[in-house]
Amino acid sequence: DVKVTQSSRYLVKRTGEKVFLECVQDMDHENMFWYRQDPGLGLRLIYFSYDVKMKEKGDIPEGYSVSREKKERFSLILESASTNQTSMYLCASSSMGLNWEFFGPGTRLTVL
Amino acid sequence: GESVGLHLPTLSVQEGDNSIINCAYSNSASDYFIWYKQESGKGPQFIIDIRSNMDKRQGQRVTVLLNKTVKHLSLQIAATQPGDSAVYFCAEDRPLNGGSQGNLIFGKGTKLSVKP
Repeated sequence: DVKVTQSSRYLVKRTGEKVFLECVQDMDHENMFWYRQDPGLGLRLIYFSYDVKMKEKGDIPEGYSVSREKKERFSLILESASTNQTSMYLCASSSMGLNWEFFGPGTRLTVL
Repeated sequence: GESVGLHLPTLSVQEGDNSIINCAYSNSASDYFIWYKQESGKGPQFIIDIRSNMDKRQGQRVTVLLNKTVKHLSLQIAATQPGDSAVYFCAEDRPLNGGSQGNLIFGKGTKLSVKP
């Protein structure tokens, strides 16, 4: 069964901490995405990547960075976590020519 | 700006009835649309998609209708079951740099509750 996995389901961090969220897909997909999901706001794109070592800003990249050193892995980094980054973070992947995305289970991050 | 939205935030139906979930989009150039289902505690799952050269597509118990004239998308679920209880999102493909694939713009979701 094809999968997108995320390193943690729940995470609690303190303001100012550096936070790493990891995402791995086993479908050999070229494209990977990071979204955050908040009540009333739906899913908003943070960053995406179409290839190894390549990254593009989404709609809300401020306060985040990403890393894609290997095709199957896409990391989201919060350089200095803030309380307004408390959210559900969803990773997704897709292949070239396939418009829809496979999603991981999500990481619920709480920043205190 | 461009947006994909929903008419109703919640929908409650009786088990066995048909459900209709609506979505409005604003980008008349959009050519691909998707419905996702998100159960509590899980990531969104693909249900069905439709391209703009079609006005109807059927899956297993689900049908998507596209009305380009009024920029409206709907998801119909036949014989709704308790397992259909979830949040349903519509999404449109946002091509980037003229390429054949892009990323998705999501609506805010409709919560479907099925009463036994």
